[in-house]
Amino acid sequence: GAGVSQSPSNKVTEKGKDVELRCDPISGHTALYWYRQSLGQGLEFLIYFQGNSAPDKSGLPSDRFSAERTGGSVSTLTIQRTQQEDSAVYLCASSLAYRSASGNTIYFGEGSWLTVV
Amino acid sequence: AQKITQTQPGMFVQEKEAVTLDCTYDTSDPSYGLFWYKQPSSGEMIFLIYQGSYDQQNATEGRYSLNFQKARKSANLVISASQLGDSAMYFCAMSLTGGGNKLTFGTGTQLKVEL
Repeated sequence: GAGVSQSPSNKVTEKGKDVELRCDPISGHTALYWYRQSLGQGLEFLIYFQGNSAPDKSGLPSDRFSAERTGGSVSTLTIQRTQQEDSAVYLCASSLAYRSASGNTIYFGEGSWLTVV
Repeated sequence: AQKITQTQPGMFVQEKEAVTLDCTYDTSDPSYGLFWYKQPSSGEMIFLIYQGSYDQQNATEGRYSLNFQKARKSANLVISASQLGDSAMYFCAMSLTGGGNKLTFGTGTQLKVEL
């Protein structure tokens, strides 16, 4: 597609349930990122993938969060046993390259709005 | 660790006027990139402009320009000829070249353009 596509756009789930959020990056982009934006908070880095390299998981807030990227394209962010504090907008982004000195532009999707009740 | 500071939680500007959104950063790494993103109420993060730490000239993209003052560690965004559609949240962000394109964001500035 022309841009980064995320689904679902909105998700309401009950506390304790698992959720999966999907991201389809821009075709040809080798780097994929997940960020979280909570109400009243800034954007927090969660995880990124680059090609076949091991992902950088340094931003994941707990072991209830995990992500995978299949075939170097689509990524799924999974949150297990959701808590109310997980309510946020989860933004996916992609870019052409990693470790670029030229600042390859990072393009974001419209986000998945997660509400845990 | 790197840090981005945006000290203006909210700004107002008259339509057709210019406005400057402040951003300061802190890093000991000599190689980095600075970004500005616009986030309208729809939630999408829209890339506006990029400045590399070794770039000699200030970046410009249409009505957007980045006033890069390396010694002061500031990267202010200037929007000329403001339009009603410019009303949005604006985020300054930084990435370190050695850290991939992982972005550290500021807390944002809410810009309101008035008639």
